[in-house]
Amino acid sequence: DTGVSQDPRHKITKRGQNVTFRCDPISEHNRLYWYRQTLGQGPEFLTYFQNEAQLEKSRLLSDRFSAERPKGSFSTLEIQRTEQGDSAMYLCASSLSPSQFFGPGTRLTVL
Amino acid sequence: AQSVSQHNHHVILSEAASLELGCNYSYGGTVNLFWYVQYPGQHLQLLLKYFSGDPLVKGIKGFEAEFIKSKFSFNLRKPSVQWSDTAEYFCAASEPRTSGTYKYIFGTGTRLKVLA
Repeated sequence: DTGVSQDPRHKITKRGQNVTFRCDPISEHNRLYWYRQTLGQGPEFLTYFQNEAQLEKSRLLSDRFSAERPKGSFSTLEIQRTEQGDSAMYLCASSLSPSQFFGPGTRLTVL
Repeated sequence: AQSVSQHNHHVILSEAASLELGCNYSYGGTVNLFWYVQYPGQHLQLLLKYFSGDPLVKGIKGFEAEFIKSKFSFNLRKPSVQWSDTAEYFCAASEPRTSGTYKYIFGTGTRLKVLA
């Protein structure tokens, strides 16, 4: 499968714990995006990378969130000291052109 | 502020009925427009896109959309829906940034249910 992959697909954690998600984009795509989606809403932009450079972060991305793309390939999104409000689907997308291709998402549940 | 609006949150149709889902955007300059579909339990998939040229674009599975610049609209249409079109549909807009990348804004989605 040469699409965007995300790991894990589901994560249940207790409030206050740290979690890390991984995204593997389509191999030749230099742009990588993270979104958050809650029930009844469309994906909300969190941050994006061009190669290894993080070019923009949304105001939604509090100091507890950090994203990296160390070698311009896969990316990680870490949430520290999780809160119940962080419960959502976290989506990754990659692109080479204006069209984005999405991964299956990681569903986070914070108890 | 840049935004994308989808006014129909839930739509229920019978098979063979015609479909039109509304999408309006607020961008001042050059904009790329997209429709994505999310079938139950699956990830977002690109249905169709508009960058420039012919304002009537055709996508997969018999869907089409028309870009009307004067109305800031990009409505999705299908002449005859099937039960398998039951899904959530998202309109999205992006504008090119000076960095060469694109920032996307999504609408809140329209949940379509097609009755067999």
